[in-house]
Amino acid sequence: DAGVIQSPRHEVTEMGQEVTLRCKPISGHNSLFWYRQTMMRGLELLIYFNNNVPIDDSGMPEDRFSAKMPNASFSTLKIQPSEPRDSAVYFCASSFSGSNNQPQHFGDGTRLSIL
Amino acid sequence: QKEVEQDPGPLSVPEGAIVSLNCTYSNSAFQYFMWYRQYSRKGPELLMYTYSSGNKEDGRFTAQVDKSSKYISLFIRDSQPSDSATYLCARGVSTDTGTASKLTFGTGTRLQVTL
Repeated sequence: DAGVIQSPRHEVTEMGQEVTLRCKPISGHNSLFWYRQTMMRGLELLIYFNNNVPIDDSGMPEDRFSAKMPNASFSTLKIQPSEPRDSAVYFCASSFSGSNNQPQHFGDGTRLSIL
Repeated sequence: QKEVEQDPGPLSVPEGAIVSLNCTYSNSAFQYFMWYRQYSRKGPELLMYTYSSGNKEDGRFTAQVDKSSKYISLFIRDSQPSDSATYLCARGVSTDTGTASKLTFGTGTRLQVTL
């Protein structure tokens, strides 16, 4: 089975540029999560969706960050304009939320460097 | 105080040793607990999860939860060099059927198993 697929794996861009990160969740999963991981703060939840609807975006650091989930098989996280402090590894995870809380499965992340 | 506290390590042990990884949490509402393993430049992968106090065993791994003292542990028996990774504890709150719940992660403990 294909896991969570993220693209690109690496992104290096200059400050001020727009960055778009992409995620394809595991087929059949109805919940999707975006995380950011840094050495200082660890793994932080940015936003999550249930059945394509944003449920909690309280972790989104600023208005420069936005996320969409137009359908069950695709989500984007956009940063515009990007800043050096946005440099981190961004992970997408998905799970099935049914009668029991099922674990989240992670992609391998996008390593983002803003120069 | 962070909601989940975890010693960042690094923890270095010889091959064959028993490893003990620990987390404490501050919110009694959290009802289920997970351990994830993360190799370098990869996403976290689920090792174990448990809803209740007590021990849960899976091969060389044992997860222990003590809700009275808000303490969770992961024990690795007969540790192998392939166990060298960062171990993340996480906890969440059970929700109504069909609704995703948030996980809150510790910052991770880096483990090195040497030959």
